[in-house]
Amino acid sequence: QVQLVQSGAEVKRPGASVKVSCKASGYTFTGYYIHWVRQAPGQGLEWMGWISPHSGGTNYAQKFQGRVTMTRDTSISTAYMELSRLTSDDTALYYCARLPPYSTSLYYFDYWGQGTLVTVSS
Amino acid sequence: QTVVTQEPSFSVSPGETVTLTCGLSSGSVSTNYYPSWYQQTPGQAPRTLIYSTNTRSSGVPDRFSGSILGNRAALTITGAQADDECDYYCVLYLGSGTWVFGGGTKLTVL
Repeated sequence: QVQLVQSGAEVKRPGASVKVSCKASGYTFTGYYIHWVRQAPGQGLEWMGWISPHSGGTNYAQKFQGRVTMTRDTSISTAYMELSRLTSDDTALYYCARLPPYSTSLYYFDYWGQGTLVTVSS
Repeated sequence: QTVVTQEPSFSVSPGETVTLTCGLSSGSVSTNYYPSWYQQTPGQAPRTLIYSTNTRSSGVPDRFSGSILGNRAALTITGAQADDECDYYCVLYLGSGTWVFGGGTKLTVL
């Protein structure tokens, strides 16, 4: 069965960086884009961007450009999201989610990771 | 910047029908935005309900349906149940590899 398993909770100081992982199993990792979505405490969901595990190509939401880097390691079917220059506003649950191939024209998230809590505090 | 709007909250009585909507700050939502809907209970990851406007995800009861109503995407719950009480989010595909979430609707069933 398809699973996206994320890394554990992180506590970071303001100004630091955090790198969250998302390990995929149960399907061909390179066949589906991985998106990242975050949710601040008590707030809604916010789309951050995606990475193509096949090509390594990325697209980031304008809000995060210059501060987010999405990468992948196909040998271990894992995607990563690194966010730098953290502030308290970055305290949130970070989710990875899978998107069906573009060729299907199904532009939605069909499977989600369990979420990774990132806390930014001095 | 494109803003996707949803009702912040909605209340429905058990057994009644409720329609939640998803609009754009400027312009109309059409099928070309491939609207999808997600259900989220506290402490859980989102669950996919509807994609491509009106296709139910696997395992989703048929009392959940999606459509375009006027210039907005809509999620209709027919015969609301107590465990439908949670948050609902729509997502629109803006093209050029960009998506945007609505602010979410907190549904109360009482």
